[in-house]
Amino acid sequence: ETGVTQTPRHLVMGMTNKKSLKCEQHLGHNAMYWYKQSAKKPLELMFVYSLEERVENNSVPSRFSPECPNSSHLFLHLHTLQPEDSALYLCASSQVGAAGEQYFGPGTRLTVT
Amino acid sequence: AQSVTQPDIHITVSEGASLELRCNYSYGATPYLFWYVQSPGQGLQLLLKYFSGDTLVQGIKGFEAEFKRSQSSFNLRKPSVHWSDAAEYFCAVALSGTYKYIFGTGTRLKVLA
Repeated sequence: ETGVTQTPRHLVMGMTNKKSLKCEQHLGHNAMYWYKQSAKKPLELMFVYSLEERVENNSVPSRFSPECPNSSHLFLHLHTLQPEDSALYLCASSQVGAAGEQYFGPGTRLTVT
Repeated sequence: AQSVTQPDIHITVSEGASLELRCNYSYGATPYLFWYVQSPGQGLQLLLKYFSGDTLVQGIKGFEAEFKRSQSSFNLRKPSVHWSDAAEYFCAVALSGTYKYIFGTGTRLKVLA
């Protein structure tokens, strides 16, 4: 595997379910990000982990819970979601302390029914 | 406050025509500048980036961008658009060496055959 991978690519869940999104980066980066992308809305930064510490949490509802067990893996745990949470969830990574861009995964398309 | 503005939400061009997508930023210093492209349901792919040096940068897929400090702009150009260029384009800036990236709201490009 190369770059940034995300699983699953598609997820349909009911409002009472609990599920997790997984992101893995194979680039040796030290920062990882979760973004939410809804139709006709700007890209929303949800969480940032830098050197495995959460450094940004942009007023995200508590039904979204991130976890970064190591610098290569990032999870987004989901529970009791609402239909308005349906969106494309993108993971990205970058190297803090060096000039560089973010690398994005292909995203998980989440539908909440 | 730092911001990135993409004034055109939608642009339609004919195949073979030239293209320019606008991006303006507001930042305390010259940031790192990026253009990304996103096909439907996919992650963001880096087209090109500017860190320093030559203000005209070349990217993938025949794209180029010019950094103009006096105008705080980083416009993306392509001399001849192909139907496969239809996608959404995002301009982004980053503060050197940090995890802070700011994205514009995107410009959706439609290409007419």
